[in-house]
Amino acid sequence: AQSVTQLDSQVPVFEEAPVELRCNYSSSVSVYLFWYVQYPNQGLQLLLKYLSGSTLVKGINGFEAEFNKSQTSFHLRKPSVHISDTAEYFCAVSEGAAGNKLTFGGGTRVLVKP
Amino acid sequence: GAGVSQSPRYKVAKRGQDVALRCDPISGHVSLFWYQQALGQGPEFLTYFQNEAQLDKSGLPSDRFFAERPEGSVSTLKIQRTQQEDSAVYLCASSGPQGIRGNTIYFGEGSWLTVV
Repeated sequence: AQSVTQLDSQVPVFEEAPVELRCNYSSSVSVYLFWYVQYPNQGLQLLLKYLSGSTLVKGINGFEAEFNKSQTSFHLRKPSVHISDTAEYFCAVSEGAAGNKLTFGGGTRVLVKP
Repeated sequence: GAGVSQSPRYKVAKRGQDVALRCDPISGHVSLFWYQQALGQGPEFLTYFQNEAQLDKSGLPSDRFFAERPEGSVSTLKIQRTQQEDSAVYLCASSGPQGIRGNTIYFGEGSWLTVV
């Protein structure tokens, strides 16, 4: 069965500093990987996804993530954060045979400080 | 509509009461998903529809949970005899026919259920 671990529950970061959110997954088959952002009192919004091809994936709002199959990781990065990036970020995985079921990690809350 | 619409946004139910949560997907979206998000946790899959067919209900936690989408558009998640552990945000999402890989999934803002 697939599972997702987000190693940091909270990440405080100063404005204009870089940030990395860690995500590791476990699966015995090929996977598809996603990062979602959830702003307060709003639904989840897709930041980026890895389906196949280049392991470096670029998403919206300046975010990017790198798929590392050997380390079973899909870490999210942004070189310079803004106050508006304060939100909760979720990593998710879907196994090849699992159809449309997404398994989410527990989330990482990013707090950007001025 | 412009996005996925869920109602009610907030619901307080007494233990043992039945509740019904409604989801209006984006017009034309054939795929519809329900997730449950407990406080401080990530969403957990409940069920998936393609049009009116419920293709996967493996995530429904008990037989008190029932979902339907009779005309392939609006969906209702029903919880019978609510328990305190049912307190959570219930998220609905929809997408085009290619599901999570070929299409972007759009989530609603959720229905916040508190069972007292």
